[in-house]
Amino acid sequence: GQQLNQSPQSMFIQEGEDVSMNCTSSSIFNTWLWYKQDPGEGPVLLIALYKAGELTSNGRLTAQFGITRKDSFLNISASIPSDVGIYFCAGRTYNTDKLIFGTGTRLQVFP
Amino acid sequence: NAGVTQTPKFQVLKTGQSMTLQCAQDMNHEYMSWYRQDPGMGLRLIHYSVGAGITDQGEVPNGYNVSRSTTEDFPLRLLSAAPSQTSVYFCASSYTQAWGDGGNEQFFGPGTRLTVL
Repeated sequence: GQQLNQSPQSMFIQEGEDVSMNCTSSSIFNTWLWYKQDPGEGPVLLIALYKAGELTSNGRLTAQFGITRKDSFLNISASIPSDVGIYFCAGRTYNTDKLIFGTGTRLQVFP
Repeated sequence: NAGVTQTPKFQVLKTGQSMTLQCAQDMNHEYMSWYRQDPGMGLRLIHYSVGAGITDQGEVPNGYNVSRSTTEDFPLRLLSAAPSQTSVYFCASSYTQAWGDGGNEQFFGPGTRLTVL
């Protein structure tokens, strides 16, 4: 089945550093969502994007809906230990009612 | 609101056994779905429902059945469990999956960790 290309697969950074991850698709999307999953828990929605070019922030997190409608970016500024987890992007094309998920970016933050 | 609830949290089955994973939401959401999560595979859609009485297949439906008799509940049935169905199962819901701004955000339950021996 179709999945989004999410990169990087994993990141190991020091506390205080900024983080950047992205998702790309071969299809045009009308919705991009970013989730975070803590160990043993379900994914929790971080940011939702609905318009090309849209830039939305949630605290230290900022996500953008790419102009081409085929990609999205998530940035985390000044990382802290509780940012550890797996970050998933998800998107939806115009002709479907199903979300497609990326394979996730595993983030580790060292003090 | 309790959000999306799932039971049980953990389950061990023997090959060939059947069971039902329960999912309920109290947000009056139209859209509900079941995913399975395997290492390195992200989340894969099993079945989904756009409203009571309507269900459809996702990416990996084989070996699973669903029904949606009420807006609140969306149980997932394993007909004859196989080791390949060992996974973490997540139920999710959203207000809608129609086009337009907002309402498409899916909210996830805490998951059911299933092991089939």
